Amino acid sequence: QQQVKQSPQSLIVQKGGIPIINCAYENTAFDYFPWYQQFPGKGPALLIAIRPDVSEKKEGRFTISFNKSAKQFSLHIMDSQPGDSATYFCAASRRKLIFGQGTELSVKP
Amino acid sequence: GAGVSQTPSNKVTEKGKYVELRCDPISGHTALYWYRQSLGQGPEFLIYFQGTGAADDSGLPNDRFFAVRPEGSVSTLKIQRTERGDSAVYLCASSPRGGRGATQYFGPGTRLTVL
Repeated sequence: QQQVKQSPQSLIVQKGGIPIINCAYENTAFDYFPWYQQFPGKGPALLIAIRPDVSEKKEGRFTISFNKSAKQFSLHIMDSQPGDSATYFCAASRRKLIFGQGTELSVKP
Repeated sequence: GAGVSQTPSNKVTEKGKYVELRCDPISGHTALYWYRQSLGQGPEFLIYFQGTGAADDSGLPNDRFFAVRPEGSVSTLKIQRTERGDSAVYLCASSPRGGRGATQYFGPGTRLTVL
């Protein structure tokens, strides 16, 4: 019940494409769902987060879609750029963060 | 302002040795978290402090791992009798208030290698 499953494991898109990363959770007690971006040798940095009473949240080029009944949420990156190439982690939380396995995104010029 | 800082950035030790990893949270943040990240994996929760006390230590893998935060600011993660399986990046995060839905800000991590 504590797991967060993330897919795909890796993703390659062309510049300007819209990569989509999906996550699923089981524990309905989770009440906060952040996405983190991590570059090699760095700690995770918060990108965007959503609470379960909202179905969508957009910040700049990043959008979270949240489906409470399906217990799924996803990250969309609009107009992706080579600088977006990084590893992305979804997480679910009440107090401590439970992370997905990560998606390595590569945006080709 | 300054973010979460962790020292050392890299630590190489031999199997069986004792190590201490330090975390300086963002000033004023009352909550502090330790996570461990193995290669190619997401971070895994170890322990959460609210002030000086450990509010949740359910992620500590065994009694070789111990963490303290004596004055409610800096925290030290201590690992006794290190094993090769302890090799990982140890991440610290802090939050202004902790509790449900609190945003956590991560440091750069300490890469621990046990030979």
